[in-house]
This record gives sequence, structure tokens and C-alpha cells, in this order.
Amino acid sequence: SQQGEEDPQALSIQEGENATMNCSYKTSINNLQWYRQNSGRGLVHLILIRSNEREKHSGRLRVTLDTSKKSSSLLITASRAADTASYFCATDTTGFQKLVFGTGTRLLVSP
Amino acid sequence: DVKVTQSSRYLVKRTGEKVFLECVQDMDHENMFWYRQDPGLGLRLIYFSYDVKMKEKGDIPEGYSVSREKKERFSLILESASTNQTSMYLCASRGQGSGNQPQHFGDGTRLSIL
Repeated sequence: SQQGEEDPQALSIQEGENATMNCSYKTSINNLQWYRQNSGRGLVHLILIRSNEREKHSGRLRVTLDTSKKSSSLLITASRAADTASYFCATDTTGFQKLVFGTGTRLLVSP
Repeated sequence: DVKVTQSSRYLVKRTGEKVFLECVQDMDHENMFWYRQDPGLGLRLIYFSYDVKMKEKGDIPEGYSVSREKKERFSLILESASTNQTSMYLCASRGQGSGNQPQHFGDGTRLSIL
């Protein structure tokens, strides 16, 4: 079952620009997490935002959560070529860490 | 740092074979997970385990089984491999405690069934 849906499916930007990815979900959540996946590799956890939080920062990453709209956004500021990867949101709806992943956004950052 | 190790990065097997995918984590995590990842479908949960010898079905358990005899090791078994099981398989682990913890992933096994 798909819980998170990312938008856009693909994003192409230049180095130095900001990248924004959105995630929508369907049911109530305990937390929402963002992961990154480099081509052919496993997923790396980026940031977790709890359902009672509205915004969280980590380095060049900013995540917002709007539970009334059941949506989240991930902003990467001052993008670098090394940020090229797929980004996934994942929702924890049960508190048992049984995450449900979206289909991801493919980000390409060109030098 | 948490390390989740999957035994093979690439694996090629034949239809009808019994296939074992192994995953080991070094952080004494109670919870372990097996996903498959296919283009356009994202990650789908096959099975998970919250303790030794305990297992729960995920969203797509058909054609798969799992084994967790030791806390650090979680094995995925394809009982009789079929071509529609060609996929990227990802293992993950997570500690206990509050629900607000991330999962830690291995690098994946790209499995081809011929």
C-alpha cells in the first residue's frame, strides 16, 4: 500500500539552486521521515519530523510538516552535484516503525 | 555508526532455485526488515521481525519466507524463485524504544532470476 506520494517525480536544477520536494500522505501519522538513495545503493536517513512538529532543520535541509493537509516538504538549499540522488518520504502510522515509503523524487543537480 | 551488511551486492539464480539473502546488523537492534524495490513502485515491505524467532508479514509476503535465529541476522528465503522476483532487495534494522527512530539500510542485493 502506498502512503506517501512524492512530487515532482523528477527534478533537474543547477548547482547553487534550491530544490524542493513534496510528499502527501493519506492517514494520520506518528512521524514522517526523509531518506536519500544514491544510484544502486541503500537508503540513508536524512531527517525525522514528529507529528507535533511543524519544521525541522539539519544543515542545508529544511523539512516542514502540515498535518492538516497531510503533506510535507523537503528543501535542500544551495544544491551541490553530490546531492544528485533519489529522495523518499516514509510515514510511520503505527508507532511500530513499520514505515510506508513513497515512490520517490529523482533529483539531478548539474554543475 | 550502525552497519547493516547484506551478503551479496549482485546475485543471479535460476527459476525454481531456493535462494537465501542474508542480512547482518551490528547495533543489537531488535527490529529488522526486508523490502523489495522496483521502478515506479518504491519500497514494499516483505517481512519484518521484532525479536529473535518472531516474524510478521508485510505487504507482499507471497513467495517469501524469513528466518531470525540470532538477533543480528535476518534471512530472506525465496522458496522457489520465479522471474517476477527479479528485483533489488533491501534489508534494514531499527532499535527499540520510542517510535521516533530511523531505519538503517544495507546497500541492497540486486537479484536476477533467469
